[in-house]
Amino acid sequence: GAGVSQSPSNKVTEKGKDVELRCDPISGHTALYWYRQSLGQGLEFLIYFQGNSAPDKSGLPSDRFSAERTGGSVSTLTIQRTQQEDSAVYLCASSRGGQGNYGYTFGSGTRLTVV
Amino acid sequence: DQQVKQNSPSLSVQEGRISILNCDYTNSMFDYFLWYKKYPAEGPTFLISISSIKDKNEDGRFTVFLNKSAKHLSLHIVPSQPGDSAVYFCAAILNAGGTSYGKLTFGQGTILTVHP
Repeated sequence: GAGVSQSPSNKVTEKGKDVELRCDPISGHTALYWYRQSLGQGLEFLIYFQGNSAPDKSGLPSDRFSAERTGGSVSTLTIQRTQQEDSAVYLCASSRGGQGNYGYTFGSGTRLTVV
Repeated sequence: DQQVKQNSPSLSVQEGRISILNCDYTNSMFDYFLWYKKYPAEGPTFLISISSIKDKNEDGRFTVFLNKSAKHLSLHIVPSQPGDSAVYFCAAILNAGGTSYGKLTFGQGTILTVHP
């Protein structure tokens, strides 16, 4: 597609439920990042996929969070047993190898609300 | 531990005047810095960047200044336009080797409002 697509755009879930957030990167982009923005905070790094390398999971806040990227394309961020502090906007970004952060394209995000 | 800080949550400027957005960082190993701009309901978009080997980078109306000894950078927009109204984030990369590769550490953002 022309841009990074994220779905759903909004998600309200009950505390304790699992949620899956989806990211469709730009075709051909080998790098994919997940960030989240909590209210009044900056964007917090979560996880980074680059080609076939092992992902950098150093930003995942707890073992309730996991992400996978299938076929080097679509990525799914899963949050198990959601808590109210998980409420945030989850942003996905992709870039073509060699462009570095100049070539970052962010999606519009998924606003997650845990009630 | 907020390693990149934007201490002004908001800034209001008259059209045609200069906007100065500030950013401070604590980790001296950050060596590449970027500014992103974000409109509501959209993802951030890249604006301008600077390597730690430079102290200034200019692109049209936008100039970024870096003061490494003070661990401070600033974004100047001149002249400011109403379309510049957005949230501005500064971001930094650790041990980038002067490149723009690697995960970004973002500040909290500053809401810029430019009045006609």
